[in-house]
Amino acid sequence: DAKTTQPPSMDCAEGRAANLPCNHSTISGNEYVYWYRQIHSQGPQYIIHGLKNNETNEMASLIITEDRKSSTLILPHATLRDTAVYYCIVGRLFNAGGTSYGKLTFGQGTILTVHP
Amino acid sequence: NAGVTQTPKFQVLKTGQSMTLQCAQDMNHNSMYWYRQDPGMGLRLIYYSASEGTTDKGEVPNGYNVSRLNKREFSLRLESAAPSQTSVYFCASSEGLAGGELFFGEGSRLTVL
Repeated sequence: DAKTTQPPSMDCAEGRAANLPCNHSTISGNEYVYWYRQIHSQGPQYIIHGLKNNETNEMASLIITEDRKSSTLILPHATLRDTAVYYCIVGRLFNAGGTSYGKLTFGQGTILTVHP
Repeated sequence: NAGVTQTPKFQVLKTGQSMTLQCAQDMNHNSMYWYRQDPGMGLRLIYYSASEGTTDKGEVPNGYNVSRLNKREFSLRLESAAPSQTSVYFCASSEGLAGGELFFGEGSRLTVL
């Protein structure tokens, strides 16, 4: 699986957009970009994923560059509760026994601090 | 709908003792996973079960065994605990083409003295 590079930490003002970058220059054509976050010591929480196109859901938007070598997670209106470690992960799906699964590798992520 | 439930949440062991971490999911997911997270680090995959009846090693399987008891339950066993296994353990599950959307439990914090 391709490796990712993220800044160790970022700050954001409450109410502003948080833009978290991720580099994945060795990504393969069948690998997805996944974003998760981990608040304090809780279990990680899935945010969003994409293959080629930009994606948006109720939590965030994912912008993937045309060459797929980097992406940006956007939290449009950050709140204090968005303070967390954000993980950018590149991985592909495997098939076995009629089902698909992912073996995702979590790096150290970006510590996002949202301040008042 | 509890999602992924792990027990126990906290455990202290002495070196050489054995224990089993239990994980159950109520989402009818086929795939289940065990990860460990050491302080200040990301998560590392220990073992996974792509579907009921199958288990495979992940990145750091040494010192652990797993059992996929049925579709709902996936347990992780430490046969002879070592201080290096002090960590937070997370169980997760996923389903089908959304196989990369993992649902995690709240974690089990294990200390080995």
